[in-house]
Amino acid sequence: SQQGEEDPQALSIQEGENATMNCSYKTSINNLQWYRQNSGRGLVHLILIRSNEREKHSGRLRVTLDTSKKSSSLLITASRAADTASYFCATVSWGKFQFGAGTQVVVTP
Amino acid sequence: NAGVTQTPKFRVLKTGQSMTLLCAQDMNHEYMYWYRQDPGMGLRLIHYSVGEGTTAKGEVPDGYNVSRLKKQNFLLGLESAAPSQTSVYFCASSYGGRRELSNNEQFFGPGTRLTVL
Repeated sequence: SQQGEEDPQALSIQEGENATMNCSYKTSINNLQWYRQNSGRGLVHLILIRSNEREKHSGRLRVTLDTSKKSSSLLITASRAADTASYFCATVSWGKFQFGAGTQVVVTP
Repeated sequence: NAGVTQTPKFRVLKTGQSMTLLCAQDMNHEYMYWYRQDPGMGLRLIHYSVGEGTTAKGEVPDGYNVSRLKKQNFLLGLESAAPSQTSVYFCASSYGGRRELSNNEQFFGPGTRLTVL
């Protein structure tokens, strides 16, 4: 069973707009990670947020974590065509990773 | 560094045939993983290894076997392929080591697209 579930399943935006996707989970975690997958490629790690952190930034990425609601969000600001990809959250609990089904993001020029 | 590499990239099998997928990493990582990715299902863990000579079952281990004879290599075997094993297979590795480091990021290979007819 999947621990992390992303919402929405698909997102279509124009260049320059912000993209927001959410991840909900069910059990306690050590950290939550976000990955990107370009078509036909492997997953690439984007950012990790620990269970005692509430917000983290990396370049145009902003991740929040609300452990009381068991949810996280990934915000990509000023999106570019190169951000077109699928984005996955992974909940991590003592070495056990569980990936969600992903959000497919399409950024049109 | 090549990172995580997988061979082959593509393969077509007939039902009942066997094959081995090879994963290699040059980052001296302790932990290695095999996942399968199916449409709408995300990644599902097949088997994993926390060190040379060790293996453990993941979420969907049936029909697969693994071996970790060398720290840098993790092999996934299909003894008798079935159409339900048509999927994209990803290998990943992470630093691991001490228990608290087992939560570190994973590094993924480019995947193997397998079709079983």
